[in-house]
Formats: sequence, structure tokens, C-alpha cells
Amino acid sequence: AAGVIQSPRHLIKEKRETATLKCYPIPRHDTVYWYQQGPGQDPQFLISFYEKMQSDKGSIPDRFSAQQFSDYHSELNMSSLELGDSALYFCASSPGLAGLETQYFGPGTRLLVL
Amino acid sequence: AQKVTQAQTEISVVEKEDVTLDCVYETRDTTYYLFWYKQPPSGELVFLIRRNSFDEQNEISGRYSWNFQKSTSSFNFTITASQVVDSAVYFCALSAPSGSARQLTFGSGTQLTVLP
Repeated sequence: AAGVIQSPRHLIKEKRETATLKCYPIPRHDTVYWYQQGPGQDPQFLISFYEKMQSDKGSIPDRFSAQQFSDYHSELNMSSLELGDSALYFCASSPGLAGLETQYFGPGTRLLVL
Repeated sequence: AQKVTQAQTEISVVEKEDVTLDCVYETRDTTYYLFWYKQPPSGELVFLIRRNSFDEQNEISGRYSWNFQKSTSSFNFTITASQVVDSAVYFCALSAPSGSARQLTFGSGTQLTVLP
């Protein structure tokens, strides 16, 4: 079965640089979520989209922005990167906006900021 | 507010032992879902099970079983006859309509190590 695809899988950036993470949801899933997992921590919700509209916002820094495109893929844009942004970034997708659907996670993008 | 507590930070067992991972949750909602996810050393988050608040029937799936008790707000996960490949961090998570309905609230995770 098709899973959530994330690219790139690994990314190394310098401080103050910009990074773009991409997420391709499972086919026919119209809701996308982004989570950030710091070392040794649990995943923290950043933002979600349903039908190309932002549906919920969590602890996402103002330096980050995201959008969902017409083909339902999503991109997380991160600017003015800081050392503390080094983390594993997960994208998840689910069918519908009920809020009680199972979220299926991608393999994650491991971002290292030097 | 929603909260998930996994009091066990690390558990170490020897292969073939049974192990139970504890999860306690808090929510004001009467309708909610509980999840268990597994994160092996490779890093991906693997969905294991979902339970809704109206379904207290416990389930067994192969070596895995789950015990949902609404009266104590607990959703425990047991692995029977553990194997080395079960070594991973296990997260309990909650999704409920109040507040940000579309996010999962995770517990802090339990690192399970199964020794050969």
C-alpha cells in the first residue's frame, strides 16, 4: 500500500539559511499534518491543512510557513534557521477532517542545522 | 486540555518475556480516540492501533494486546513473548474534538529494549 512520502530524507543547513520540506500524502487523503520531534522528545504538532486550507495551528514558529497544493502535497518552508530547529520533521496524512481519523506518518525528514 | 502520560521512560526485558506499556490520558471530551505508535531506531512512526472512547472491548492481535479502561483513563499495551525486533520507542497518543481537533497529543514515549 502507498505510504506518505517525504523529501528530502536528510538535510543539512547552516544557521540563517532556508529549508523546504515536501510531503506527499497517501492517495485520497486530503488532510496533511506537520510535526516536529526534537532529540529524545515526543512529536509536537506544528500545523495542518484540509482541502488546501489551513485547519489547525500548533507551536509553529513565525519563521516557518506551510501550504497545501492542489494535488494535496504540502511544503513546509523554514527560514532563518536556528540550531534549535535541528529535529526530525514528520508529515502525516489522513482521510477527512473529522479529527478522529488515523494519521499515517511518513518516514520523516532529519534536519541538521550547523 | 488534553494530556497523555507514559510514566515508564525505559523498560528492558529479556527476549520471550511479556511486557506491558502503560498509558494514562486526560481529556474533557466524551468522544475521543487513542492510538499507539511505534518508533524503531530507524526513526519512522508506525501506527499500531486506534481505539475510540465508546469501544472498550480489548483486542488481541498476534503478540500484541491492548487494555482500554475508561474508568481509570488508561490504555495499556502488552507485547507477549517479546522479540529483539520489538525494541523501539512506543508512543501513546490522544485525539479529541476540543481545542485543536486535528492534532495528536503524544505521551513522552517509552523506550523498550528487548535483550537477546
